[in-house]
Amino acid sequence: EAGVAQSPRYKIIEKRQSVAFWCNPISGHATLYWYQQILGQGPKLLIQFQNNGVVDDSQLPKDRFSAERLKGVDSTLKIQPAKLEDSAVYLCASTKSPTGLAYNEQFFGPGTRLTVL
Amino acid sequence: AQTVTQSQPEMSVQEAETVTLSCTYDTSESDYYLFWYKQPPSRQMILVIRQEAYKQQNATENRFSVNFQKAAKSFSLKISDSQLGDAAMYFCAYRTMNTGNQFYFGTGTSLTVIP
Repeated sequence: EAGVAQSPRYKIIEKRQSVAFWCNPISGHATLYWYQQILGQGPKLLIQFQNNGVVDDSQLPKDRFSAERLKGVDSTLKIQPAKLEDSAVYLCASTKSPTGLAYNEQFFGPGTRLTVL
Repeated sequence: AQTVTQSQPEMSVQEAETVTLSCTYDTSESDYYLFWYKQPPSRQMILVIRQEAYKQQNATENRFSVNFQKAAKSFSLKISDSQLGDAAMYFCAYRTMNTGNQFYFGTGTSLTVIP
C-alpha cells in the first residue's frame, strides 16, 4: 500500500510570507495528524483530525496556523504570516483507527522542511 | 498532559554490541500504549516496537526488545547486535487511551553506531 504522501519536501520563504503544506494519508486511514518538529526536538502535535473533524488543536497557533481536511481524506496546513521560529519540519501522520482504538501505529510521511528567512 | 522524557540526547555503540536507550513518562492513566520510533537521516519516522501497558510481558521484535516497568513508568529499548543501519534518532512515544488517543513524543536520542 502507498505510504503517507507530503508535498513539497522543502520550502524556503521570507518571514511574513504565506506557505501551505499538503498531506495525503494512507487510503482508509481515519485519523490524520500534523506535527511540528524543530531541529533537535521531538515532534509536537499541532492538530489531529478524525475524518473531517478536529479532535485536538490545542497546540495550534491559531493566529497564524490553519488546517483543514474537508473531505476526510487529504489535508492542508497553512501558515500566514510565517515567523522565523516556524522553521521546522512539518510531519504528517495517519492511523487506521478511529478514536477509541489506540493500538494502531502511526504511519509518517517524509515531512516538509520549512526554512523561514 | 502526559510527558515523555528521554534523558540521553546522544548514545553510541560499537557494531555488533548491545545498547539500551532509556525513556520515562508521567501519567495518571492505567491503560495506554508505548512506542519506540526510529527516524533515520532521511527523516521518515518508522515504528520499531510497541507495548501495551496492560501486558506484563515485554515486547520483542527481532533484535529490538523493551524493558517495561509500569510502576516505575520506565520504557527502555534494547538493541542487540547493533548494525550500521540502526544509526538514527530514536523517539519514545506515549499514546493515551482517553478521548482523542493523542501521541506524546520524547525529545529523542541520537544513536551512533561505530564500525
